[in-house]
Amino acid sequence: EVQLQQSGAELVKPGASVKLSCKTSGYTFSNYYMSWLKQMPGQNIEWIGNIYGGNGGTGYNQKFKGKATLTVDKSSSTAYMDLSSLTSEDSAVYFCARLSILPKSPFDYWGQGVMVTVSS
Amino acid sequence: DIVMTQGALPNPVPSGESVSITCRSSKSLLYSDGKTYLNWYLQRPGQSPQLLIYWMSTRASGVSDRFSGSGSGTDFTLKISGVEAEDVGVYYCQQGLEFPLTFGSGTKLEIK
Repeated sequence: EVQLQQSGAELVKPGASVKLSCKTSGYTFSNYYMSWLKQMPGQNIEWIGNIYGGNGGTGYNQKFKGKATLTVDKSSSTAYMDLSSLTSEDSAVYFCARLSILPKSPFDYWGQGVMVTVSS
Repeated sequence: DIVMTQGALPNPVPSGESVSITCRSSKSLLYSDGKTYLNWYLQRPGQSPQLLIYWMSTRASGVSDRFSGSGSGTDFTLKISGVEAEDVGVYYCQQGLEFPLTFGSGTKLEIK
């Protein structure tokens, strides 16, 4: 069974950074892309970027360049996202989601999401 | 960026009624391989989104056949035949044609 298990909720101060994790199981991590997405309360879903589990190659939404950095640890089948210089606009739920193996693929499995709250 | 625009539903919808959720893209999602790269997701309250339909009309594994997708290159419809209590939530369309991947703003379904 494919599973994406995200780390717990974070309360961080403005200007700080936070590292979120997405530990996977049930499939070959290095064969798939992982995406990260942002959902502010009651709002739309935004795609932040992709990372390939095989070689760590990344692609970012221009809007999030400089804000988010995606990495992977193949040995533990875990994807990470660093968010830097946090402001109130970064308070949101963040999801990791696997891109299926299909071409121009949909997000076929999602993590449970993690709430990040930026507050002093 | 491709803009995705979704319509609203006349909530609440009586249980058992059929509904259609609309989505429009600012650019044709029909690719040269003949596939249309439009996906549908349902986000139930307090949960993460789940894939319902991909390539405009292909149901994801385990999805009820009450859900069906159709459309053209820019105009799409998700039909739910006979809504049930478990269908409550927000439905999102998403284009998979090009980066950045983008979503519609969501269509909320409430059931009477």
